[in-house]
Amino acid sequence: GAGVSQSPSNKVTEKGKDVELRCDPISGHTALYWYRQRLGQGLEFLIYFQGNSAPDKSGLPSDRFSAERTGESVSTLTIQRTQQEDSAVYLCASSFSGERTEAFFGQGTRLTVV
Amino acid sequence: AQKVTQAQTEISVVEKEDVTLDCVYETRDTTYYLFWYKQPPSGELVFLIRRNSFDEQNEISGRYSWNFQKSTSSFNFTITASQVVDSAVYFCALSEGGYQKVTFGTGTKLQVIP
Repeated sequence: GAGVSQSPSNKVTEKGKDVELRCDPISGHTALYWYRQRLGQGLEFLIYFQGNSAPDKSGLPSDRFSAERTGESVSTLTIQRTQQEDSAVYLCASSFSGERTEAFFGQGTRLTVV
Repeated sequence: AQKVTQAQTEISVVEKEDVTLDCVYETRDTTYYLFWYKQPPSGELVFLIRRNSFDEQNEISGRYSWNFQKSTSSFNFTITASQVVDSAVYFCALSEGGYQKVTFGTGTKLQVIP
């Protein structure tokens, strides 16, 4: 596709349920990032993929959070046993390798845990 | 470890005033990239500029200009003759060469009052 696509755009879930957030990066982009943005806050780094491997998972807030990427393309961020503090916009971005490292962002998934 | 600091949380200016958004970064690498992104109320982050560490030339694009000073580890962003459409949250970001993880500052919310 022309841009980074995220689905769903909005997700309301009950506390304790698991959720999966999907990111389709721009074709050819080998780097993929997940960020979390709480209301009125900055971007909080979660995880970074280079190809299908994740050299930096340091931002994942707890073991309830996991992410995978397959085929150097689609990535899924999974949050297990959701808590109310997980409510936020989850942003995905992708970029080329090398010097052209500006990241292109998706529209985000707004997650609300009730 | 890389770090980006945007000390200004919120700025309000009257339309047509000039405004400078500050960004200070920390990195141990000699090769790195600096970015500015704009997040309008619609939520999608928009890439504005990329600068590599070997190019200290200031850049001007219309009403936007960027001042990169390696001596002070700063990459400030100035909007000349601000307009209401400039109202947004602006993020400064840093990527270390060869690694590509992009670290964002906490953002500066700019409000341009008509």
